[in-house]
Parts: sequence; C-alpha cells; structure tokens
Amino acid sequence: AAGVIQSPRHLIKEKRETATLKCYPIPRHDTVYWYQQGPGQDPQFLISFYEKMQSDKGSIPDRFSAQQFSDYHSELNMSSLELGDSALYFCASSFRTGREKLFFGSGTQLSVL
Amino acid sequence: KNQVEQSPQSLIILEGKNCTLQCNYTVSPFSNLRWYKQDTGRGPVSLTIMTFSENTKSNGRYTATLDADTKQSSLHITASQLSDSASYICVVSAKGSGNTPLVFGKGTRLSVIA
Repeated sequence: AAGVIQSPRHLIKEKRETATLKCYPIPRHDTVYWYQQGPGQDPQFLISFYEKMQSDKGSIPDRFSAQQFSDYHSELNMSSLELGDSALYFCASSFRTGREKLFFGSGTQLSVL
Repeated sequence: KNQVEQSPQSLIILEGKNCTLQCNYTVSPFSNLRWYKQDTGRGPVSLTIMTFSENTKSNGRYTATLDADTKQSSLHITASQLSDSASYICVVSAKGSGNTPLVFGKGTRLSVIA
C-alpha cells in the first residue's frame, strides 16, 4: 500500500541557506501535518493543511513557510537556516480530521552546518 | 493544559521477555489515543488507535489497553524481539472540529538485548 512519501531523505545545508522539504500524502488523504523533532525531543507541531488551506499553526518560525498544492502534496520552505533548525522533519497525512488514522512519512533529516 | 506522560523513560529487557509501557494523559475532551513505534531517525509508525469506547486492541504481539476513566493507557509487548528496540510514543488527540494538533508523549525508549 502507498505510504506518505517525503523527500529528500537527508539534507545538509549551511547557515543562512534555504531548504525545501516535500511531502506526498497517501492518495485521497486531504490533510497534511508537519512536525519538527529535535534530537531526543518529542515532535513539535509546525503547521497543517486541509484541502489546500492552512488549517492550524503551531510553533512554526516566521522564517518557515508551507503550502499544500492542488495534488495535495505539501512543501515546507525554510529560509535563513540556523544551527538549531537541525532536526528530523516529518509530515503526516490523514483523511479529514485527526480522528482518522494518521500516517507518518519517514522524515527528512536536516543538518545545518 | 493538555499533557501526555509516559513511563518508564527507558527500558532494557531480554529478548523473549514481555514488557508494559504506560501512558497517562490529561487531554480533554478526549477523542482517541494512538501508540506509535519510532525507529531512530524515522517517522513514527502506527501500532494501534483507540477511541473512548475501546478498552483493548491488539496488533500482533502488541496489545494496547485504555481506561478512559483514569485516563491511562498501556502498551504490552509479548515475546519481545531485537527488532522491537525503538521509541514507543503515546499520542492523544482532543475532540474538536478541524485539525486539532496531536499531543505527543516523550516516548519510552525500549532496548531489547540478546
């Protein structure tokens, strides 16, 4: 069965650079969530989209932006990267609300040097 | 404040042994509770999802229980295998409209040794 696909799997950037992470939800899922997980930390909710509209916002820095496209895939754009942005970024998708089963992607490991 | 507390923080067991992980939550109003297995550097993988009316749910060697009155859940792993070594995360969702963020526990780090 198709799962949530994230790309790239690993990404190395330098300070002040930009990065774009991509998330392809499970077919027919209309909701995408983005999470940031620092080393040894629990995941922190960043932002979510429902039917291509931002539906909820968490602790996403102003330097980050995200959007969901017509095919429901989502991109997280990160600018002016800082060392503290190094983390595992994973997205999850579901159908409609969080009451439905949430499926997570394998994540993108971002390292900022 | 919505919180999810997990215990123990870490656990080491011998291969073949059973173990039980605990999750206490204060999320209200409660919608559902999920247990995930997360390997290092990977996204969480769903093990079970339980709603208010469900007391027990099994998925192979994993059995989750839920006591909505005491707001406690447990994940029991039977006949552990080396591949069970991972973090086990309890995630609780509050009932509401829209896409309510999930409340994550900090996880229990399980190490299964030969």
